[in-house]
Amino acid sequence: NAGVTQTPKFRVLKTGQSMTLLCAQDMNHEYMYWYRQDPGMGLRLIHYSVGEGTTAKGEVPDGYNVSRLKKQNFLLGLESAAPSQTSVYFCASTWGQYNSPLHFGNGTRLTVT
Amino acid sequence: EDKVVQSPLSLVVHEGDTVTLNCSYEVTNFRSLLWYKQEKKAPTFLFMLTSSGIEKKSGRLSSILDKKELFSILNITATQTGDSAVYLCAMNYGGSQGNLIFGKGTKLSVKP
Repeated sequence: NAGVTQTPKFRVLKTGQSMTLLCAQDMNHEYMYWYRQDPGMGLRLIHYSVGEGTTAKGEVPDGYNVSRLKKQNFLLGLESAAPSQTSVYFCASTWGQYNSPLHFGNGTRLTVT
Repeated sequence: EDKVVQSPLSLVVHEGDTVTLNCSYEVTNFRSLLWYKQEKKAPTFLFMLTSSGIEKKSGRLSSILDKKELFSILNITATQTGDSAVYLCAMNYGGSQGNLIFGKGTKLSVKP
């Protein structure tokens, strides 16, 4: 049972380049989330999904897009990377919206130069 | 504005000490409060609290919620170097922007 798997683990981009981060979960969870974690800022929600085919904006959505074409996958895209997007990105999933804990992936460390 | 505030932001103790981490919150529609431990990688789930006054316990860790005073504490007794981590508090609420607000975390360092 792999849980939540994120790929890639590390990536270095140049300003203006694009990339997609993949999150896959094998727990049949309905809810999936993308967070970014920066020093002194805690975890901040970028986008989330409450089910296959749905997405919604979180606290810091600008510069990112997401898609949830399959229930088990949640993709985070950066169309034109900026140095301000240098961060550690975490994907998480859960079965319920309120009283259920999140299961996190191991993160993707992204550096934009 | 809904928010979660953790204190202290960092803490250094010696093995064997007991520590108390604090989490206070302001929210319009509280559902639950969760504690996570984050070492090098992914945050791992510790406790979820929904009711006041009921202590959750796991080994040397315990946590309690006070819904009247809007705070929770995480206690760690007989600390070990393996307890060194960032401890995150998160509040689950019925808002529109996702379902969790995280605090900034408390960085605990346990020295031998």
